[in-house]
Amino acid sequence: GIQVEQSPPDLILQEGANSTLRCNFSDSVNNLQWFHQNPWGQLINLFYIPSGTKQNGRLSATTVATERYSLLYISSSQTTDSGVYFCAVLTGGFKTIFGAGTRLFVKA
Amino acid sequence: GAVVSQHPSWVICKSGTSVKIECRSLDFQATTMFWYRQFPKQSLMLMATSNEGSKATYEQGVEKDKFLINHASLTLSTLTVTSAHPEDSSFYICSATGTGELFFGEGSRLTVL
Repeated sequence: GIQVEQSPPDLILQEGANSTLRCNFSDSVNNLQWFHQNPWGQLINLFYIPSGTKQNGRLSATTVATERYSLLYISSSQTTDSGVYFCAVLTGGFKTIFGAGTRLFVKA
Repeated sequence: GAVVSQHPSWVICKSGTSVKIECRSLDFQATTMFWYRQFPKQSLMLMATSNEGSKATYEQGVEKDKFLINHASLTLSTLTVTSAHPEDSSFYICSATGTGELFFGEGSRLTVL
């Protein structure tokens, strides 16, 4: 089956710093999304981005489907950005596969 | 974005009892719903995929008789954990899609005593 790998697994940032999170996937996918899981466990949709580039405030994402990776950029990080960031893919067989996540901690 | 409501958020039950968790898409028709399980500090593990009006497709290693999934309408799917045991304690999350983009419920934290 498709493998989804995220890096780095853990990231500590000073407030105000920028970061890039990466998601690699091993085969063609129908859909790719980025989520932020808050401390209460809720998954917050960040981007639905099977290809191309999108921006939403301090966050932006780029997916290069032909090269099977996606990047999530966080600029001017804030303490409220802390949490776990997941990418998930939807395969041709209509399965959802999550990466292991990047655990982000932003220090004040 | 679309809203998916899941409840209960928290449930504590005695060993041997059954627990039902509901997942509703409030403002769209969900042709497909997914159920996941998440252990502490781990990623989400897909348990099953359900399409309205048909039997759920379970992932390898997931007991279909233990985790009963019903997708009776385009807005409702239920997960019933039957004869629950302490090892079933976990965080269960549903997601729904109508167009390919996934929307997630708030999750249900199950504790079996």
